[in-house]
Amino acid sequence: AQRVTQPEKLLSVFKGAPVELKCNYSYSGSPELFWYVQYSRQRLQLLLRHISRESIKGFTADLNKGETSFHLKKPFAQEEDSAMYYCALRSYNTDKLIFGTGTRLQVFP
Amino acid sequence: KAGVTQTPRYLIKTRGQQVTLSCSPISGHRSVSWYQQTPGQGLQFLFEYFSETQRNKGNFPGRFSGRQFSNSRSEMNVSTLELGDSALYLCASSYGQSSGNTIYFGEGSWLTVV
Repeated sequence: AQRVTQPEKLLSVFKGAPVELKCNYSYSGSPELFWYVQYSRQRLQLLLRHISRESIKGFTADLNKGETSFHLKKPFAQEEDSAMYYCALRSYNTDKLIFGTGTRLQVFP
Repeated sequence: KAGVTQTPRYLIKTRGQQVTLSCSPISGHRSVSWYQQTPGQGLQFLFEYFSETQRNKGNFPGRFSGRQFSNSRSEMNVSTLELGDSALYLCASSYGQSSGNTIYFGEGSWLTVV
């Protein structure tokens, strides 16, 4: 079965601390993994995708097929990073996204 | 260019009624998908349309239906509303169904069933 698991509902850190939001997936085949972010009162927006291997707003995520993980990391959290983060998996050749339950990141000053 | 636009933004319906939500994708996008977001179940896939054809459907009862028009605009309908249908309904669009296409989301339609 296709599934995305985000074990933490809430992650609270202080500004400047490292952040790691965990994501594990279950998918038979080659998945396409994403991180979406939803800031307060804003629409869901794409943060990262694994095929781009890029860093956005200081965030990076590496796909580990052996551990079936796609954890989101940032070395130094900022207050403006406070938001809801969703890990998602896209089925091959479709636009169907399977989302995890989300992790709320709170960054305190 | 304009983003994914959903109407209405907010609505209140009574149990047993039906509702139609509308979505205008980003210009040039031919794929439209719908999601239901609730505090309890999170983001759940409803259905996906490409060139007026339903390509995927999630695990929702038949009361949930949708369609896509030739201009790629899409509507979803929920009949015989239940209290549990109260949710944020999100529409998303992309150029098409292939890897690499970015999926963009609208702001959603907030449905409250009383």
